[in-house]
Amino acid sequence: RKEVEQDPGPFNVPEGATVAFNCTYSNSASQSFFWYRQDCRKEPKLLMSVYSSGNEDGRFTAQLNRASQYISLLIRDSKLSDSATYLCVVNVGTYKYIFGTGTRLKVLA
Amino acid sequence: EPEVTQTPSHQVTQMGQEVILRCVPISNHLYFYWYRQILGQKVEFLVSFYNNEISEKSEIFDDQFSVERPDGSNFTLKIRSTKLEDSAMYFCASQGAATGNTIYFGEGSWLTVV
Repeated sequence: RKEVEQDPGPFNVPEGATVAFNCTYSNSASQSFFWYRQDCRKEPKLLMSVYSSGNEDGRFTAQLNRASQYISLLIRDSKLSDSATYLCVVNVGTYKYIFGTGTRLKVLA
Repeated sequence: EPEVTQTPSHQVTQMGQEVILRCVPISNHLYFYWYRQILGQKVEFLVSFYNNEISEKSEIFDDQFSVERPDGSNFTLKIRSTKLEDSAMYFCASQGAATGNTIYFGEGSWLTVV
């Protein structure tokens, strides 16, 4: 099993739709989880950290399921500007953070 | 907002040459990272660095690579004897204990080996 696994997509959704991505991780000792966003040929930028109890930031909701070892990202009311690759990041060591392959999202007008 | 800065933004080098990629992490951050991303592929962990020594490294980070924090502000990645397959975007990142473990990335250095 890969350390961090994501469905590469692409997910093509209409504006206003709700879309969800999952990310599975293999290391049960992982403690830190993040969603990053990457636009084409740009650096990854933090979208949100993922907390045990789940957390929300505007249209974005992140959840952690430790029992099944996955995290999720829900985007409500998708905007054209949400089109990007969404990267799941998980620590597999104290200072070793591994990226998933990323899930491409395209929001269509 | 403080940011991680990287130079050069793009470098073309001949196979077999040595390359040094430079990074200025966010001041007061304590942990530093290098990642690479080959075009069309995932972001790959290379190395983490804390207290003037390597904390963790991946299998990619072999003897060809080295890192250094020479003067308390810069953080460098040296690639000795570059190969064609070293062509990639190299991202520097920094992390401060007070930021809840968020890792901030620089804009990257695009390395092309010809």
